[in-house]
Amino acid sequence: DADVTQTPRNRITKTGKRIMLECSQTKGHDRMYWYRQDPGLGLRLIYYSFDVKDINKGEISDGYSVSRQAQAKFSLSLESAIPNQTALYFCATSDPLAGERNEQFFGPGTRLTVL
Amino acid sequence: AQSVTQLDSQVPVFEEAPVELRCNYSSSVSVYLFWYVQYPNQGLQLLLKYLSGSTLVKGINGFEAEFNKSQTSFHLRKPSVHISDTAEYFCAVTAGAGNTGKLIFGQGTTLQVKP
Repeated sequence: DADVTQTPRNRITKTGKRIMLECSQTKGHDRMYWYRQDPGLGLRLIYYSFDVKDINKGEISDGYSVSRQAQAKFSLSLESAIPNQTALYFCATSDPLAGERNEQFFGPGTRLTVL
Repeated sequence: AQSVTQLDSQVPVFEEAPVELRCNYSSSVSVYLFWYVQYPNQGLQLLLKYLSGSTLVKGINGFEAEFNKSQTSFHLRKPSVHISDTAEYFCAVTAGAGNTGKLIFGQGTTLQVKP
């Protein structure tokens, strides 16, 4: 079984709709991240969380919000989707205290298309 | 602030030829460096990482990278590529002790291995 899972894997929606992308992990890591990937831009950090009560904005947080419901769950919401939010979204986890020195473990990604 | 530059957006190469994917970084503090690979329609997988110690790092699938502090580079190499190495490769950096664990990614390099 995958350690980091994302649902849905693919989603097509319309402008103005509210969308939630979900991430779950079984690695027991405290830190979780949301990235978006766009061609030619690499991955850019949207939000990150160090524990259930901690939420931090990343490089491109405008238009997004997150919820850390439990250590294992971190959801990304688009309150009112717009076409330029069409991208591939990745969730990741890490635990520096485990000796893995900031190595991040990625989910399989969610491909979101906003029409 | 840290940044990562991958000097080539696409690298075409014939099967069994050697390849080098270039990565330069900037940082005012000590860094950890990573190479991730993304096969078509998949998430990111760690190829190798430099944390400390030997500057030549060996990873999975026959890849290796050399950390060069004076040139602030972390180039990825493979002496003989296979068709199955066709993928997108990302270089990433994060700061050393006391950092937030955030990864800064380069723009990505698409390796196209031709028969």
